[in-house]
Amino acid sequence: QVQLQQWGAGLLKASETLSLNCAVYGGSFSGYDWNWIRQPPGKGLEWIGEINDSGRTDYNTSLRSRLTISVDSSKNQFSLNLRSVTAADTAIYYCARGVIVGSTNPYLDYWGQGNLVTVSS
Amino acid sequence: DIVMTQSPDSLVVSLGETATINCKSSRTILYNSNNKNYLAWYQQKPGQPPKLLIYWASTRESGVPDRFSGSGSGTDFTLTISSLQAEDVAVYFCQQYYSRPLSFGGGTKVEV
Repeated sequence: QVQLQQWGAGLLKASETLSLNCAVYGGSFSGYDWNWIRQPPGKGLEWIGEINDSGRTDYNTSLRSRLTISVDSSKNQFSLNLRSVTAADTAIYYCARGVIVGSTNPYLDYWGQGNLVTVSS
Repeated sequence: DIVMTQSPDSLVVSLGETATINCKSSRTILYNSNNKNYLAWYQQKPGQPPKLLIYWASTRESGVPDRFSGSGSGTDFTLTISSLQAEDVAVYFCQQYYSRPLSFGGGTKVEV
């Protein structure tokens, strides 16, 4: 059974860096894309970006200038860093596994439990 | 970027009745080379992450009850929940994976 377990700081001040980690248990780490998605409280889902086990990344253009996603394949973990946060970055952040069989872009079959990150001004 | 628009925003359905949720993409998400629609549906219950229900527009994920079905092609898609159960109360999202950035519909809240 595949499980994604995520952790990181939940309360930040404006201008600080948001850092989250996601560990993958069960299943293969290679052959999938590893994604970050966020959801402002009570709102919809926004794709943040992704990385594969080789370190190839793709970012949402709206966040690209502040965003770094990295991977440690030896630990089956990947991470999110979002710099210079503002109140607009307050959201539940999810990690998710992306299935790319038969496609160059993923649908998301396993999700982490989510982390609420609140940015205070 | 592809914009996904869902309708309605919410709906109230009686137990045992059918819920129909619509999703429209701003351009086609059908690849002619393989005749596949790059669309997924997710269910999200309060306090939980989204759960994958359907991919390729109509393929049910393993373990998903067959009362959930997906249909449509090109730009217009539908999620149908037949014989609605109490545990189906949730918000439902569509997602395109035809092109980056991946994008989601705004969600449809299903209540009883």
